[in-house]
Amino acid sequence: NAGVMQNPRHLVRRRGQEARLRCSPMKGHSHVYWYRQLPEEGLKFMVYLQKENIIDESGMPKERFSAEFPKEGPSILRIQQVVRGDSAAYFCASSPPGRVSGYTFGSGTRLTVV
Amino acid sequence: AQTVTQSQPEMSVQEAETVTLSCTYDTSESDYYLFWYKQPPSRQMILVIRQEAYKQQNATENRFSVNFQKAAKSFSLKISDSQLGDAAMYFCAYRRSSGNTPLVFGKGTRLSVIA
Repeated sequence: NAGVMQNPRHLVRRRGQEARLRCSPMKGHSHVYWYRQLPEEGLKFMVYLQKENIIDESGMPKERFSAEFPKEGPSILRIQQVVRGDSAAYFCASSPPGRVSGYTFGSGTRLTVV
Repeated sequence: AQTVTQSQPEMSVQEAETVTLSCTYDTSESDYYLFWYKQPPSRQMILVIRQEAYKQQNATENRFSVNFQKAAKSFSLKISDSQLGDAAMYFCAYRRSSGNTPLVFGKGTRLSVIA
């Protein structure tokens, strides 16, 4: 039973380009959460999705950032027109439906904007 | 809004000794979960231990135990018989128990283990 898979592990983008980060949740998990970790900081919540629905996007910047979790395929976090301040580690976590206590995290994608 | 505070940016411990990492949180909820996560240099977030707020008994996982003081909103992690592999960032996190709500993290404590 594979864990939460994130790819790519590292991503380098020039300012103004688009970044696409992918997350495949654990088998049987229908809830996905995206977090951002700036250097020497804790993880900050960005968005919570269920299949085909955004449940809570209160932590996601209104501009340039979007997320989806289609019926088929991985969840995608998309950052348009990246800027240096977007450089961070982006983590995905998943959980099954119902009342659960904890989530399973992926290994993260480190985005570097040059 | 819920907040989690870790007041020790860095800690160090001698191998085989015991160390305690502090965490306080703020919430108006009565039912919630608390967690400690370990993040080694590999960046992987590893769940160390979790505590359910309605349980008075402190959680224990092998060398890791917590001191949960609900009234004081304190949730410290004790690592006994420290090992070199315990060196990592440690994050305290909170989550409401209702629904699949997101985790709220503290800023972390960097633990060094001295041989």
